[in-house]
Amino acid sequence: GQNIDQPTEMTATEGAIVQINCTYQTSGFNGLFWYQQHAGEAPTFLSYNVLDGLEEKGRFSSFLSRSKGYSYLLLKELQMKDSASYLCAVVDSNYQLIWGAGTKLIIKP
Amino acid sequence: ETGVTQTPRHLVMGMTNKKSLKCEQHLGHNAMYWYKQSAKKPLELMFVYNFKEQTENNSVPSRFSPECPNSSHLFLHLHTLQPEDSALYLCASKTGLADTDTQYFGPGTRLTVL
Repeated sequence: GQNIDQPTEMTATEGAIVQINCTYQTSGFNGLFWYQQHAGEAPTFLSYNVLDGLEEKGRFSSFLSRSKGYSYLLLKELQMKDSASYLCAVVDSNYQLIWGAGTKLIIKP
Repeated sequence: ETGVTQTPRHLVMGMTNKKSLKCEQHLGHNAMYWYKQSAKKPLELMFVYNFKEQTENNSVPSRFSPECPNSSHLFLHLHTLQPEDSALYLCASKTGLADTDTQYFGPGTRLTVL
């Protein structure tokens, strides 16, 4: 079966760095997305990785290792507004999105 | 504002009611999706439409009935729902079906079935 694993919840301190991991087992791979979802709002696009390596976009970076079936989202200089759920999703061989359950990130002052 | 709107934002209904959820996208996309989001569970894909034609029905009970009159509008008709159907229902759209473009989501309808 197809499976995406990510931690259910993480807590971090304002100004710090946090890494949210995602491991996957899917039938085929056409890329991996990270989305951010604030409570009661729409998921919004953060990043897309299809090649191995690190993609940096401001305070957020996303890493992919295809051989290990592993990705992480790195958030630097955390701000209170970063409190949200972070969803990992893999595009399989049929171009379907396979979703993780999301990681709820709590930022404390 | 993602370019995808959903109404209503909140809905409370009894098990015998009939209601409809509406989604509209202003992005010129051809593919539209209905998802169910329950607490601490992955997004569940319900239906997929491409150029107004249904391409996916993910074993969804018949008490959920989708309708796509054109590429910009998508409806989800609800009747005789169960309490376990209470969830956030998200609509999304994408440029096309077989590509890796990002999906754009609406804010969702929070549904409570009493």
